[in-house]
Amino acid sequence: QVQLVQSGGEVKKPGASVKVSCKAYGYTFTTFGVSWVRQAPGQGLEWMGWISGYTGDIRYAQTFKGRVTMTTETSTSTAYLELRSLRSDDTAKYFCARGGRYFDWPPDDFWGQGTLVTVSS
Amino acid sequence: EIVLTQSPGTLSLSPGERATLSCTVSQSISSTYLAWYQHKPGQAPRLLIHGASSRAPGIPDRFNVGGSGTDFTLTISRLEPEDSAVYYCQHFGGPRTFGQGTKVEIK
Repeated sequence: QVQLVQSGGEVKKPGASVKVSCKAYGYTFTTFGVSWVRQAPGQGLEWMGWISGYTGDIRYAQTFKGRVTMTTETSTSTAYLELRSLRSDDTAKYFCARGGRYFDWPPDDFWGQGTLVTVSS
Repeated sequence: EIVLTQSPGTLSLSPGERATLSCTVSQSISSTYLAWYQHKPGQAPRLLIHGASSRAPGIPDRFNVGGSGTDFTLTISRLEPEDSAVYYCQHFGGPRTFGQGTKVEIK
């Protein structure tokens, strides 16, 4: 069955970078995309961006442009999210989700379990 | 940027009652590109429905959507205790945006 398994929690200092992985099982990775969404403590869901496993197209939310990089490694069916210049307000649970091969279709249907990233000095 | 505003912030209802959640969009969109998610604490968000009536696998027909243009609703008929969660609407026809969520509490 479809599963997205994310890497474990991270604790980082302000100014550092973090890289979260998301390994896909149960479907052909290159025929879908991966979205990244985060949830800060007590807050709602915030979309960060999307990468197509099919075309390689990438779209970042304006909020994160310049600080985020999304990549895929098709040989291992794994997507990566790297966030740089971390601040305390980047403390959040980061989710990956299976999205469409194209940017606007379909919605994100299967989600990873989330990775807690804590930024603290 | 499209902004989604959900209301009410919290709904507190009894089992068996009907919940109506609202999602107002800052500009007219096609219902094709609107999705609803259920999110329980400590779990991953779960896709419920997208478009006019496309329920995700395993989602019971107690969950229904309606609306068009800028005003959309998610209706949960016959509430059950396991429906306690935060519900988000999302526009996905471009840069994805979420509403701020509606918390449904079961008394």
